[in-house]
Amino acid sequence: GIQVEQSPPDLILQEGANSTLRCNFSDSVNNLQWFHQNPWGQLINLFYIPSGTKQNGRLSATTVATERYSLLYISSSQTTDSGVYFCAGAIYNQGGKLIFGQGTELSVKP
Amino acid sequence: KAGVTQTPRYLIKTRGQQVTLSCSPISGHRSVSWYQQTPGQGLQFLFEYFSETQRNKGNFPGRFSGRQFSNSRSEMNVSTLELGDSALYLCASLRDRSEETQYFGPGTRLLVL
Repeated sequence: GIQVEQSPPDLILQEGANSTLRCNFSDSVNNLQWFHQNPWGQLINLFYIPSGTKQNGRLSATTVATERYSLLYISSSQTTDSGVYFCAGAIYNQGGKLIFGQGTELSVKP
Repeated sequence: KAGVTQTPRYLIKTRGQQVTLSCSPISGHRSVSWYQQTPGQGLQFLFEYFSETQRNKGNFPGRFSGRQFSNSRSEMNVSTLELGDSALYLCASLRDRSEETQYFGPGTRLLVL
């Protein structure tokens, strides 16, 4: 099955710093998504980005499907950005079966 | 539009008991997927139901089962609970096409003593 590798596993930043999170896939995936898990456990959708680049405020994401990786950029980080970030993907026609990476735990210090 | 809802939010059971968790998808969504999250194994796919039929299944023992009703609400059941079943159980809904965004509910935290 597909393997999803996220890096780095942990990241500590000062407020205001920028960061890049990476997600590598062992095989082609279709529904590539980025999530932020809040302290209560809920997964919040950040991006649905099977290819290309999207931006939403201070967050942006780029997926290069041909090279099987995706990047999540966080600019001018805030303490509220702290938490675990997951990427996940599914193979073609199995969109309901997301395979998750192990996550990147981000801590933003004031 | 209301999001994905899960009940109960917290549950404490003892080994050997069984448990049923419920998930109501976003209105109009026909697919419901279930995931288990533990510190050791991370987020793992359990199964997916679409139009009352199991469409995909993960690598979990037969003690884990599910079903979906005609209104798309889904339940998952775990029989003969083990300590290792303690986890956050998340469900997600999808409209119907495969290339779509999955939306997750708040989860049910299950503690098995």
